[in-house]
Amino acid sequence: AQSVTQLGSHVSVSEGALVLLRCNYSSSVPPYLFWYVQYPNQGLQLLLKYTSAATLVKGINGFEAEFKKSETSFHLTKPSAHMSDAAEYFCAVSDGTSYGKLTFGQGTILTVHP
Amino acid sequence: GAGVSQSPSNKVTEKGKDVELRCDPISGHTALYWYRQSLGQGLEFLIYFQGNSAPDKSGLPSDRFSAERTGGSVSTLTIQRTQQEDSAVYLCASSFGSLFVVETEAFFGQGTRLTVV
Repeated sequence: AQSVTQLGSHVSVSEGALVLLRCNYSSSVPPYLFWYVQYPNQGLQLLLKYTSAATLVKGINGFEAEFKKSETSFHLTKPSAHMSDAAEYFCAVSDGTSYGKLTFGQGTILTVHP
Repeated sequence: GAGVSQSPSNKVTEKGKDVELRCDPISGHTALYWYRQSLGQGLEFLIYFQGNSAPDKSGLPSDRFSAERTGGSVSTLTIQRTQQEDSAVYLCASSFGSLFVVETEAFFGQGTRLTVV
């Protein structure tokens, strides 16, 4: 079984500051890991995914995440926050044996203030 | 269509009534997934279709929930005898088949917000 823990249900940063959203996972097999973003009243959009090809994964909108097996972590970062980054972010894990069956974290709401 | 389309976008129903939620996936996508997003439970997997078959329906919360897919395209999620705890946003997603090939991803619809009163 897999599980995901997102540390911090709310994160607030200033525009231009570093964004760091934390995700730790638990998996009995090598995991596949994802970050999704959800804007208000919209569906989920894939930011990036880790499928064992490279430990540092670059995604859309300047986001990236690093897979650290020793820490069972997949934290999401962006060097400089923009007002348009304000949204809810979800980390998700799959064991790769069941198509599309993702286990999501509880989500982190990112607020960006001027 | 250009994206995953779900209808209705909002549905208010009385407790005990049946509801049907519809999902039109992206044309050509063979895999289709239903998720539920609620305040207390977060995002939960409900069921997965590959073509018209559902190899994994382990997330359906009770036998009041069922889903079908026809023609390898449109899917309907049916909730019978709705209860207040069924209130949630129901999200549908589709993909070419696997999330685990680098060039594919699952595309989500905007969801159906179901309110049971």
